[in-house]
Amino acid sequence: NAGVTQTPKFQVLKTGQSMTLQCAQDMNHEYMSWYRQDPGMGLRLIHYSVGAGITDQGEVPNGYNVSRSTTEDFPLRLLSAAPSQTSVYFCASSSTGTVNQPQHFGDGTRLSIL
Amino acid sequence: AQKITQTQPGMFVQEKEAVTLDCTYDTSDPSYGLFWYKQPSSGEMIFLIYQGSYDQQNATEGRYSLNFQKARKSANLVISASQLGDSAMYFCAMNSDYKLSFGAGTTVTVRA
Repeated sequence: NAGVTQTPKFQVLKTGQSMTLQCAQDMNHEYMSWYRQDPGMGLRLIHYSVGAGITDQGEVPNGYNVSRSTTEDFPLRLLSAAPSQTSVYFCASSSTGTVNQPQHFGDGTRLSIL
Repeated sequence: AQKITQTQPGMFVQEKEAVTLDCTYDTSDPSYGLFWYKQPSSGEMIFLIYQGSYDQQNATEGRYSLNFQKARKSANLVISASQLGDSAMYFCAMNSDYKLSFGAGTTVTVRA
């Protein structure tokens, strides 16, 4: 079972460049989400989606863009990368996102902005 | 905004002993879910245990149990019979209104 797949695993960008972090899940989950993890801190929610065509902002949405055209995919776009966006990014999914469902996480993307 | 507090940055525990990781939360929502995740040094996030806000009994999953005290807004994780493989970072998290909020985590080191 693939579960939640994130690509790439590592990426180095220059300030001002744009890129897309890919996330795909094969569990037919309606709910998908993106988090960032910085040293000494827990994961913080960037954006989430409760189904195809529906997205919403989390705690730290600035500088990031998302769309959800299919149930399977939830890409995260960095519009103009900044050093403050250096972090480990996790994508997660659950069946419907309701309070009783644990989220399944991908293995993460380690992103460095120079 | 939801707030999750884990006051223990790091803990050491002897192999085969039990350890309790503290977690307090703050929310005004009546319906929420509390979770514990394990993050080993390899970096993946592993779901351990869940407790619902309306659950009357404390959750248990194998060697993991959750000490849920709703009035005190605490959800402490107890790991019994610690093993070397339990050495990792542990995160407390709360799901409310489709948003999952995490604490800063507690690093657990199990000594042989």
